[in-house]
Amino acid sequence: DAKTTQPPSMDCAEGRAANLPCNHSTISGNEYVYWYRQIHSQGPQYIIHGLKNNETNEMASLIITEDRKSSTLILPHATLRDTAVYYCIVRAYLNYGGATNKLIFGTGTLLAVQP
Amino acid sequence: DTAVSQTPKYLVTQMGNDKSIKCEQNLGHDTMYWYKQDSKKFLKIMFSYNNKELIINETVPNRFSPKSPDKAHLNLHINSLELGDSAVYFCASSQARGPTDTQYFGPGTRLTVL
Repeated sequence: DAKTTQPPSMDCAEGRAANLPCNHSTISGNEYVYWYRQIHSQGPQYIIHGLKNNETNEMASLIITEDRKSSTLILPHATLRDTAVYYCIVRAYLNYGGATNKLIFGTGTLLAVQP
Repeated sequence: DTAVSQTPKYLVTQMGNDKSIKCEQNLGHDTMYWYKQDSKKFLKIMFSYNNKELIINETVPNRFSPKSPDKAHLNLHINSLELGDSAVYFCASSQARGPTDTQYFGPGTRLTVL
């Protein structure tokens, strides 16, 4: 699985959009970009994933560059409850029952939403 | 209705003891995982079971033995506990649908070895 690079920390004002970048310059054609977050003292929580098209769900939007070497997670209206460590993970197509099921977490970005 | 639950939430024990952590999921998933998060907050896969069969076994000491009595349960037994085993252990589950899956994590078990 490709390696990702994220800034260690970011601040965002409550109510504003939070834009979290991720570099994955060695991503392969069959690798998806996943985002999870971990709120303090809780288990990681799935946010969104994508392959090459931009994706949006009720939690966030994921913008993937055309060359797929970087992506941005957008929380459109950040709240205090969005303060968490956000992990960007690249992962190959699921090989059902195989070793690609695992998530390889990096150090993530600590997003602090300020009141 | 907790999707992935773990017991106990906290576990404090002495070095050399044997302990177990239990995990249950009510999502109907066929794959379950154990992850370890150390004091530096690095989160790393330990094991994965698919339909009660071990499919991922990272370089974990053989003092750690996962057991899956059925698809809804994955327990972790640890023998001869060491100080370095102190960590938060997370259970997760997923169901493969097409080329991707989403993993759902439990609340974690904080293990402290004294």
